[in-house]
Amino acid sequence: GAGVSQSPSNKVTEKGKDVELRCDPISGHTALYWYRQSLGQGLEFLIYFQGNSAPDKSGLPSDRFSAERTGGSVSTLTIQRTQQEDSAVYLCASSFSILNTEAFFGQGTRLTVV
Amino acid sequence: KQEVTQIPAALSVPEGENLVLNCSFTDSAIYNLQWFRQDPGKGLTSLLLIQSSQREQTSGRLNASLDKSSGRSTLYIAASQPGDSATYLCAVNNNAGNMLTFGGGTRLMVKP
Repeated sequence: GAGVSQSPSNKVTEKGKDVELRCDPISGHTALYWYRQSLGQGLEFLIYFQGNSAPDKSGLPSDRFSAERTGGSVSTLTIQRTQQEDSAVYLCASSFSILNTEAFFGQGTRLTVV
Repeated sequence: KQEVTQIPAALSVPEGENLVLNCSFTDSAIYNLQWFRQDPGKGLTSLLLIQSSQREQTSGRLNASLDKSSGRSTLYIAASQPGDSATYLCAVNNNAGNMLTFGGGTRLMVKP
């Protein structure tokens, strides 16, 4: 596609429910990144993929968070048993490779846990 | 651990003024530095990417400089317009995975 696409744009969920956030990277981009932007916290790195492999999962805040990427394209970020502190904007980015290239971001998914 | 700081946190200027946004980082071993713009409720739009070997990059009214040894970058906006009002984020890439460490942003308001 023309840009990084994320869905849904907004998600309201009840505490304790699981949610799935989707990211469609720019076609041909092998690297994909998930970031979280919390009010007052700034942007923090969560996880990245090179192809379908996630070499660094150290940024995931807890074991309730997981992510996968299939076919070297679409990625899903799953949050199990959501908590109110998970409320944030989840941003996905892609780049041509993991080597020193420009990152392009999607519009984000605003998650609200009530 | 890399830390990125942006000063000022907020800035309000009259239309037409030239302005400078500052970004500093603690670990100078970077691959590149990227400036982004974020409008309220939106994602990030890439403005300029400066490789570690470069000193500056220009795009239209924007000019970004990089002084890697001192851990500083500036974003210069010439002849500011109300449409420039947004939050400007600086991000540093200093690892092989191309992950970015972000500053807290500068919230810019340009008044007509």
